[in-house]
Amino acid sequence: AQSVAQPEDQVNVAEGNPLTVKCTYSVSGNPYLFWYVQYPNRGLQFLLKYITGDNLVKGSYGFEAEFNKSQTSFHLKKPSALVSDSALYFCAVRDMEAGNNRKLIWGLGTSLAVNP
Amino acid sequence: GAGVSQSPSNKVTEKGKDVELRCDPISGHTALYWYRQSLGQGLEFLIYFQGNSAPDKSGLPSDRFSAERTGGSVSTLTIQRTQQEDSAVYLCASSPHPTSGEQFFGPGTRLTVL
Repeated sequence: AQSVAQPEDQVNVAEGNPLTVKCTYSVSGNPYLFWYVQYPNRGLQFLLKYITGDNLVKGSYGFEAEFNKSQTSFHLKKPSALVSDSALYFCAVRDMEAGNNRKLIWGLGTSLAVNP
Repeated sequence: GAGVSQSPSNKVTEKGKDVELRCDPISGHTALYWYRQSLGQGLEFLIYFQGNSAPDKSGLPSDRFSAERTGGSVSTLTIQRTQQEDSAVYLCASSPHPTSGEQFFGPGTRLTVL
């Protein structure tokens, strides 16, 4: 079955330190992978996506994500965290089942807290 | 430009009442999605509209839930005979190219059923 896993419910980092939010997936074929962010009391915003090409993709607000096919992972990273990065982060993968490819399969989200 | 808008932003209703939630997608976006997000939970897919095609209703949790999209633009999600477990934030998203996966979300409607 297709799935997305975000193994950490919460990640805590100190401001200025690097951060990683983990995501692993299980789909058939070549995955389309996405990260979205939900700031407090706001709607979800698209951060970045991987479809093909370089395994390291860069997105908004200084975030990047690394696609690792052998580990079926797509971890979100940022070299230096800001307090304002504190939010809920969702990983998603395009549903690859026939007839469903306009839908995303979502992880349960990881709450990132950046401490000053 | 204008993003996805949803109304109302908050709705408090009594158990057993019907509610209607509205979504105005970004102009020109052919795809429209409804999701439900319960407190501390991920996104639960409800329904998907694409152009004039029949909607994908596979995520609707019960026959009390229905949605329509008029003229390929505005969408209304209706919940009949609301129950306390329907309390959640209902999110709408639109997309210009649904196969690309990038969706643009509205701010959501927070529904509280007393």
